[in-house]
Amino acid sequence: DAGVTQSPTHLIKTRGQQVTLRCSPKSGHDTVSWYQQALGQGPQFIFQYYEEEERQRGNFPDRFSGHQFPNYSSELNVNALLLGDSALYLCASSFRASGGFGTDTQYFGPGTRLTVL
Amino acid sequence: AQTVTQSQPEMSVQEAETVTLSCTYDTSESNYYLFWYKQPPSRQMILVIRQEAYKQQNATENRFSVNFQKAAKSFSLKISDSQLGDTAMYFCAKFQGAQKLVFGQGTRLTINP
Repeated sequence: DAGVTQSPTHLIKTRGQQVTLRCSPKSGHDTVSWYQQALGQGPQFIFQYYEEEERQRGNFPDRFSGHQFPNYSSELNVNALLLGDSALYLCASSFRASGGFGTDTQYFGPGTRLTVL
Repeated sequence: AQTVTQSQPEMSVQEAETVTLSCTYDTSESNYYLFWYKQPPSRQMILVIRQEAYKQQNATENRFSVNFQKAAKSFSLKISDSQLGDTAMYFCAKFQGAQKLVFGQGTRLTINP
C-alpha cells in the first residue's frame, strides 16, 4: 500500500518564477492538505482540498493556489516566488468520514524542498 | 489563534533511558484531537501517537505513551527504552476546526549510544 508521494524531491527556482508541486494521497484517502515548513520551524497550514474544492485556508497570500483532481491528487502552485518562499513543502492526506470529525488523521509525504535564489 | 507550545527546544538522553517531551496548548473546544509526530533527518513526518480529548485513558503505542491532562491543557510524550532510531524532531500538534493541524515549534531529541 503506497503512502503519500510528492514530486519533485528538490527544486531550485529564481525570484519571480512560478512553481508547481505535486502530491498523490495515500490509497483510500480523499482529502489533501498542504503545509509549509521553514527551516527549524513547525509546519504552517497553507490550505486543504476536499471534493476538488479548497475547504480551508491558512494565512498565506493569493500567490499560493492549488487544485485537486478527480483521482484526489493535488497540486500546489506558487507564483512570483520570493526568497522567503524557500522551505520544505509537505503534503498530507486523510480520509474525511461522513460527519467529518474525528477520523481525519493526517499522513504526510516526504516533502518537496524548494529553494528560491 | 490557537497555539501549541513545546518548551524544550532540545533534549538528549542515553540509549535505553526514558525521556518525556512536554507540550501545552490552548483551546476553547471541549472535544478535540492531539497528535505527536516525529520528523527524522529524512524529513518524513511520521505519526507517533494520537489522543482523543473525550477519552479518559492515555494513548499508548508500544514504547510511546502520553500523559494527557485535559484541565491543565498538557499533552506530554513519554518514550521508554529509547533507541538510536528515536533521534528526530518531535512535533506536538492539535486539530483546529477539525481539519487544520496547528504544530508546536518542535523538540530536537538526540539518543546517544
